Amino acid sequence: GIQVEQSPPDLILQEGANSTLRCNFSDSVNNLQWFHQNPWGQLINLFYIPSGTKQNGRLSATTVATERYSLLYISSSQTTDSGVYFCAVGLYGQNFVFGPGTRLSVLP
Amino acid sequence: DAEITQSPRHKITETGRQVTLACHQTWNHNNMFWYRQDLGHGLRLIHYSYGVQDTNKGEVSDGYSVSRSNTEDLPLTLESAASSQTSVYFCASSEAGTNQPQHFGDGTRLSIL
Repeated sequence: GIQVEQSPPDLILQEGANSTLRCNFSDSVNNLQWFHQNPWGQLINLFYIPSGTKQNGRLSATTVATERYSLLYISSSQTTDSGVYFCAVGLYGQNFVFGPGTRLSVLP
Repeated sequence: DAEITQSPRHKITETGRQVTLACHQTWNHNNMFWYRQDLGHGLRLIHYSYGVQDTNKGEVSDGYSVSRSNTEDLPLTLESAASSQTSVYFCASSEAGTNQPQHFGDGTRLSIL
């Protein structure tokens, strides 16, 4: 099956800093989704991004499916950005496979 | 607004008991999924359904069962709870078709003593 890696596993930032989270996958995929799990455990959809670039406020994401990676950019980070960020990838006819996550801590 | 609701939010039970976790969605989505989340393993798929009367096994289905009698609900049953099934359980739903964006419930924290 598809293998999904995320880097870095842990990241500590000062409020206001920018960061880039990476998701690598072992096979060509047709779909990719980024989630944020907040400190209360809720999983929040960030982006559904099988290819290309999307932006939503301070967050943006880019997927290059042919090179098997996706990037999540967080600009001007805030303490509320803390939590774990997951990418999930999928092939047609198969369900999503989740990566292990990147744990982000934003310090005031 | 459409939503997906899990109940209970927290449950403690004993080994050997039957436990059922509820999942109810008002998105009118065809697809529904159950995952478990454990430290060091991320989210792993337990069972999924692509429509009424359809159920399929996921990566970690042993010891679990589901049934889909209507569009809105996909209850997850642990026939004989084991301590290894202590976990946080998430239900998700998506539109028909594979790899559609998934919407998650808030999770159920299950402890088996």
